[in-house]
Amino acid sequence: DQQVKQNSPSLSVQEGRISILNCDYTNSMFDYFLWYKKYPAEGPTFLISISSIKDKNEDGRFTVFLNKSAKHLSLHIVPSQPGDSAVYFCAAERLYNQGGKLIFGQGTELSVKP
Amino acid sequence: NAGVTQTPKFQVLKTGQSMTLQCAQDMNHNSMYWYRQDPGMGLRLIYYSASEGTTDKGEVPNGYNVSRLNKREFSLRLESAAPSQTSVYFCASRTGTYGYTFGSGTRLTVV
Repeated sequence: DQQVKQNSPSLSVQEGRISILNCDYTNSMFDYFLWYKKYPAEGPTFLISISSIKDKNEDGRFTVFLNKSAKHLSLHIVPSQPGDSAVYFCAAERLYNQGGKLIFGQGTELSVKP
Repeated sequence: NAGVTQTPKFQVLKTGQSMTLQCAQDMNHNSMYWYRQDPGMGLRLIYYSASEGTTDKGEVPNGYNVSRLNKREFSLRLESAAPSQTSVYFCASRTGTYGYTFGSGTRLTVV
């Protein structure tokens, strides 16, 4: 049972244009949603997050939108740069008294072409 | 450098061999995690430790054991390796709401 899904394995975008990465989830009890970026031979690094009580969070070129009724979130990168080329993972977390645990999607490989 | 350190970075095992993947963090984080990454599957949680002295199963615990040796160290053991355990393994630690820090990974091949 895949609770967090990224249905697009790859995305190719021209430099300077907008990149939109999508993610769907099934568990309405998630408290936070996060995006991680991963380069080859490195561990994932945190990019941006959004609380389940918000519908938008922005950090520089990165904006995450949350649509709870559709159980859908998206990451917008504007403008896209070649250095943004990486695998992007959507993740969700439900918090418990002793912390929580991240559930990841399958990842989307973004390629930004000069 | 502060962070999460995993050893070894690469390992080749024969089917049936055992090994332990080591993970240590120097950020005084309470919670630690082991994930595996497989093509098309994303990162899947194997085991986690919410605090020193506790461990719990994640999504794919079969074939693995863990030990939270102290607050810094969280090891993952494969008692009898199988080809299905060929993967890239990531250790992570966290503090706060979403302060996950990942190690650089261990690439394991079981032949």
